[in-house]
Amino acid sequence: SAVISQKPSRDICQRGTSLTIQCQVDSQVTMMFWYRQQPGQSLTLIATANQGSEATYESGFVIDKFPISRPNLTFSTLTVSNMSPEDSSIYLCSGWGAPGTDTQYFGPGTRLTVL
Amino acid sequence: GESVGLHLPTLSVQEGDNSIINCAYSNSASDYFIWYKQESGKGPQFIIDIRSNMDKRQGQRVTVLLNKTVKHLSLQIAATQPGDSAVYFCAEKREGTSYGKLTFGQGTILTVHP
Repeated sequence: SAVISQKPSRDICQRGTSLTIQCQVDSQVTMMFWYRQQPGQSLTLIATANQGSEATYESGFVIDKFPISRPNLTFSTLTVSNMSPEDSSIYLCSGWGAPGTDTQYFGPGTRLTVL
Repeated sequence: GESVGLHLPTLSVQEGDNSIINCAYSNSASDYFIWYKQESGKGPQFIIDIRSNMDKRQGQRVTVLLNKTVKHLSLQIAATQPGDSAVYFCAEKREGTSYGKLTFGQGTILTVHP
């Protein structure tokens, strides 16, 4: 299995500012992903974090708004840029391909509120 | 695709009853399916998975059934306990995509009454 932690667990931010969320996995994983979960809704994939190269974004999400880094096989960051209240959501990191498993594991999420 | 709607389906059961949570998936080309449990304030937790070449898989107290003809997935929980109260999501992987890239269903709120 893989244990995934995220920092911060929650934050309240002002409109127009940016927040960087960190994701740490306790073992090397093949792939890492970032999801968004709006209040009372399901999860939507934002992007695949690629090690050492630009992330692959899903339709409706762009690099300028959600820059992502993945410098190694256990760490990734997601930045929510120029925030507006519509960005208030839970942001979840996940990892797939930990040794001995083909299950996708999720972090606890970062609850973001934008005022 | 992205789920829409502010109101998740709900299921209320008594402790000890069996629960059945249903999911209609969207893509006939999906070849892998997972059920996740999400408790309040936590990330989704893996419950059980099934590949498209199977129609049933059993775990501890849980069974997943897959009907590809009607694109339907169900999760059966035996002897439901209060600790099973959570939101349950089905997720699918489209054929040809990586195992980590999932599309999530709408979710169902399960409430278990003691």
